[in-house]
Amino acid sequence: GENVEQHPSTLSVQEGDSAVIKCTYSDSASNYFPWYKQELGKRPQLIIDIRSNVGEKKDQRIAVTLNKTAKHFSLHITETQPEDSAVYFCAGGGSGGYNKLIFGAGTRLAVHP
Amino acid sequence: GAGVSQSPSNKVTEKGKDVELRCDPISGHTALYWYRQRLGQGLEFLIYFQGNSAPDKSGLPSDRFSAERTGESVSTLTIQRTQQEDSAVYLCASRRGFAEAFFGQGTRLTVV
Repeated sequence: GENVEQHPSTLSVQEGDSAVIKCTYSDSASNYFPWYKQELGKRPQLIIDIRSNVGEKKDQRIAVTLNKTAKHFSLHITETQPEDSAVYFCAGGGSGGYNKLIFGAGTRLAVHP
Repeated sequence: GAGVSQSPSNKVTEKGKDVELRCDPISGHTALYWYRQRLGQGLEFLIYFQGNSAPDKSGLPSDRFSAERTGESVSTLTIQRTQQEDSAVYLCASRRGFAEAFFGQGTRLTVV
């Protein structure tokens, strides 16, 4: 079945630096890759997603890149701010028109002022 | 109307008791997911419903766990003979087609 691996498990950066989180997936037919942010005690919320027909998508300070050949995708956060501190989850799904979503183990990002 | 709603928000139960958790998805969302999140851990897939198709139960950890959903409406997750290792936050999410999946606030289950 689908498996999604996520690295690193923790990431500490200084305010203003960039942060990169990487995920790999096992099902080559997967075609949808969302990223969720979960603040302490809150529900996960979508921050950006990408579909397999594009290689990169950007929304202000957040960007996601997808390499279908290598079956990996990455989240890039530039000019990090303390409010970016949270746990970030990647996910893969959509294989064969099937909607199942499997999440990575998460990355705890700490942005220090 | 509102987003995904889960009840109860918190549940404390004695070991060995059965519990039932409820999820009200966003109206019109054909897909519904249940995940388990242990303290400080990731989102563990449990079960996925897609319209009237047979659910994908591949993530249910044991036969003590079951879930139902009628059509595109409410879903219930039942845990029988609860054990301490069942303590976690149970999150439900719903989705229309291949669009964004929205999560509920979760049910925090504590087994004492």
